[in-house]
Amino acid sequence: RKEVEQDPGPFNVPEGATVAFNCTYSNSASQSFFWYRQDCRKEPKLLMSVYSSGNEDGRFTAQLNRASQYISLLIRDSKLSDSATYLCVVPPGAGGYNKLIFGAGTRLAVHP
Amino acid sequence: EAGVTQFPSHSVIEKGQTVTLRCDPISGHDNLYWYRRVMGKEIKFLLHFVKESKQDESGMPNNRFLAERTGGTYSTLKVQPAELEDSGVYFCASSPGLADTQYFGPGTRLTVL
Repeated sequence: RKEVEQDPGPFNVPEGATVAFNCTYSNSASQSFFWYRQDCRKEPKLLMSVYSSGNEDGRFTAQLNRASQYISLLIRDSKLSDSATYLCVVPPGAGGYNKLIFGAGTRLAVHP
Repeated sequence: EAGVTQFPSHSVIEKGQTVTLRCDPISGHDNLYWYRRVMGKEIKFLLHFVKESKQDESGMPNNRFLAERTGGTYSTLKVQPAELEDSGVYFCASSPGLADTQYFGPGTRLTVL
């Protein structure tokens, strides 16, 4: 089983749609959780951290379910500029904060 | 403030040759990381420097890979001799502290023919 698993997509949605991505992780000791965004042929960039109580940043909402070892990212009112690959990232925790563990990514394509 | 820079952006070499990748972290960042993405796979951790010391090299695939960070500033990753399976994108990242956000460079796309 992979340490971090994501639905690869692609998700093809029209502008204005709401889309949700899911991610599961295998290491129950993990304490930090992140969503990164990667544009085609670019570097990954931190989109948002995920906190236990869930957190929101504008159109983006992240949720964490520790019991199920599940993380989600919800994007509301999708824009063309949201088209990218969204990477779920879970450091192993317990002193392993240096080592980011990436999922394979979920591709999002927003069309007019 | 300048971000993480990597050189070269692309490298095409033949199997058996040597290639050296360079990473310049954000100024003042003690932590420097190397990651790699091979075709169709997820980005994987290679190693982590704190200043000039290797903190964790558990992700290095084999002894054909040698990373250095002399002086605790820029880092190099040398592949010698290169094999076909080494093709991929090599990312460098840096952070001020261990639990801080890692900022990634644009990557070096390595193609081994």
